[in-house]
Amino acid sequence: KQEVTQIPAALSVPEGENLVLNCSFTDSAIYNLQWFRQDPGKGLTSLLLIQSSQREQTSGRLNASLDKSSGRSTLYIAASQPGDSATYLCGGTSYGKLTFGQGTILTVHP
Amino acid sequence: DVKVTQSSRYLVKRTGEKVFLECVQDMDHENMFWYRQDPGLGLRLIYFSYDVKMKEKGDIPEGYSVSREKKERFSLILESASTNQTSMYLCASSRALRYEQYFGPGTRLTVT
Repeated sequence: KQEVTQIPAALSVPEGENLVLNCSFTDSAIYNLQWFRQDPGKGLTSLLLIQSSQREQTSGRLNASLDKSSGRSTLYIAASQPGDSATYLCGGTSYGKLTFGQGTILTVHP
Repeated sequence: DVKVTQSSRYLVKRTGEKVFLECVQDMDHENMFWYRQDPGLGLRLIYFSYDVKMKEKGDIPEGYSVSREKKERFSLILESASTNQTSMYLCASSRALRYEQYFGPGTRLTVT
């Protein structure tokens, strides 16, 4: 059974800082890994999807990497802004099912 | 632009009522999913459907049923609502299991 863990549970940084969010998974038979953003009381917004054959994906200030052999993915956010404050979730798809981590609550203060 | 809509943002129901949560996607996606999200427990899969009239149980199907009569619509049914079903319910869809899942805005259900 796939298990996904996110570290840290919460992170507070000053505006402009570069930061890394971590995601680890137990089963390397993963089809893809997806990073999401969730604002309070809202649904999930997909940020990046990395297929199992890929090593990384980039979108604007976001870069996500995937290392299947070590069971890890990272989300790098460059030059953080207060508008980046949200909960970030990672999810791994294996055997047809998307399993989520508990999320990292990010606060970027001015 | 991809779009997944859910019938209600907030819903309050009484214990024992039958509750219908509706989800519609406009992307011609094959797969649709229902999750619930609870503090400390994260997101858990209730049911999913990979085709019209097809359904598969997720991790926590007890107390729920689903219906998919048309490709674009996936309904979650609480046959007899209970207080422990108070939660945020999220619907998602994807083109295939290997592809990105797109989520709706969620329905906050309170059962009193």
